[in-house]
Amino acid sequence: KQEVTQIPAALSVPEGENLVLNCSFTDSAIYNLQWFRQDPGKGLTSLLLIQSSQREQTSGRLNASLDKSSGRSTLYIAASQPGDSATYLCAVGGYQKVTFGIGTKLQVIP
Amino acid sequence: NAGVTQTPKFQVLKTGQSMTLQCAQDMNHEYMSWYRQDPGMGLRLIHYSVGAGITDQGEVPNGYNVSRSTTEDFPLRLLSAAPSQTSVYFCASSYRLAGYNEQFFGPGTRLTVL
Repeated sequence: KQEVTQIPAALSVPEGENLVLNCSFTDSAIYNLQWFRQDPGKGLTSLLLIQSSQREQTSGRLNASLDKSSGRSTLYIAASQPGDSATYLCAVGGYQKVTFGIGTKLQVIP
Repeated sequence: NAGVTQTPKFQVLKTGQSMTLQCAQDMNHEYMSWYRQDPGMGLRLIHYSVGAGITDQGEVPNGYNVSRSTTEDFPLRLLSAAPSQTSVYFCASSYRLAGYNEQFFGPGTRLTVL
């Protein structure tokens, strides 16, 4: 059974700082890994999708990497802004099933 | 495109009542799924469908029924609501296999069972 862990559970940083969110998974037989953002009381917004054959994906200030062999992914956020405050979820895609981590709650302080 | 839509946004039920949560997508996605999100537990898969007429159970299917008569719609039925079903419910869709393709989520339904 796939298990997904996200560390840290919560993070508070000053505006402008670069930061890294971590996601680890136990079964390396995955199809893809997706990072989501969730604002309080809202749904999930897809940020980046990395296919199993890829090493990283970039979108603006976000960069996600994937190391299947070690069961790890990182989400790098450059020059953080207060608008980045949200919960970030990692989702690991297996055959017909996606397993989610509990998330990292990020607060960026102005 | 409206994407994935869910109704209602909020619902309060009494124990034993039944109801249907609606989900629709206009992206012609084959795969649709229902999750529940509870504090400290992440999202858990309830039921999923790989196409019209085909459904299967996820991780926590007890107390819920689904059907998929069209590609667009995937309703979730609570047969006899219990307080343990108080949660936020999300519907998601993807082009084909959820594990291989990008998933798109609806805004969620907040359900309280008294």
